[in-house]
Amino acid sequence: AQTVTQSQPEMSVQEAETVTLSCTYDTSESDYYLFWYKQPPSRQMILVIRQEAYKQQNATENRFSVNFQKAAKSFSLKISDSQLGDAAMYFCAYRSGGSQGNLIFGKGTKLSVKP
Amino acid sequence: DAGVIQSPRHEVTEMGQEVTLRCKPISGHNSLFWYRQTMMRGLELLIYFNNNVPIDDSGMPEDRFSAKMPNASFSTLKIQPSEPRDSAVYFCASSLVFWAEAFFGQGTRLTVV
Repeated sequence: AQTVTQSQPEMSVQEAETVTLSCTYDTSESDYYLFWYKQPPSRQMILVIRQEAYKQQNATENRFSVNFQKAAKSFSLKISDSQLGDAAMYFCAYRSGGSQGNLIFGKGTKLSVKP
Repeated sequence: DAGVIQSPRHEVTEMGQEVTLRCKPISGHNSLFWYRQTMMRGLELLIYFNNNVPIDDSGMPEDRFSAKMPNASFSTLKIQPSEPRDSAVYFCASSLVFWAEAFFGQGTRLTVV
């Protein structure tokens, strides 16, 4: 079974600085998809970024980018120019590329942004 | 599109009562997930449907939990009888195809007293 591990329960960053959230996963599959979701205090789950395992190029979305290391099974999220609105829980998620595509999540990292 | 719609947003019930949570996925989406979120256990996948068929229910904690998807636009998660340890936020999510990202509803906060 696949597992997703986020080893940092909490992180803190100064406004306008850069922070990197870590995620590792375990799978025997070669075809899969990875995601980062954000959950602010409103509890709404919001997609931040996605990465297809077959793509070597790291995904970027404005201030958000990933460092995808397939061999190491690592998928970290970098937030540049951090803003107060970035404060939230961040969840890393794995989805199998097969038709039985479960979507499983790590335990999350709580990010605080200091003004 | 209105997004994934869950009802109710909040539910308070007494131990032993039956609880039914409802979900309307985004139109056209063929995958549906039910998750439970607690501080201790994080986001747990309870059950996953594809084209209205349950694919993986290994996360359903006990026989007290059951889920149905009678058609492409509606799903329910039922707990009978409910217990205080079932208190959590329950999320429903849907995705267009099996390789796509999931869109989440607002969640139902369940409190069993």
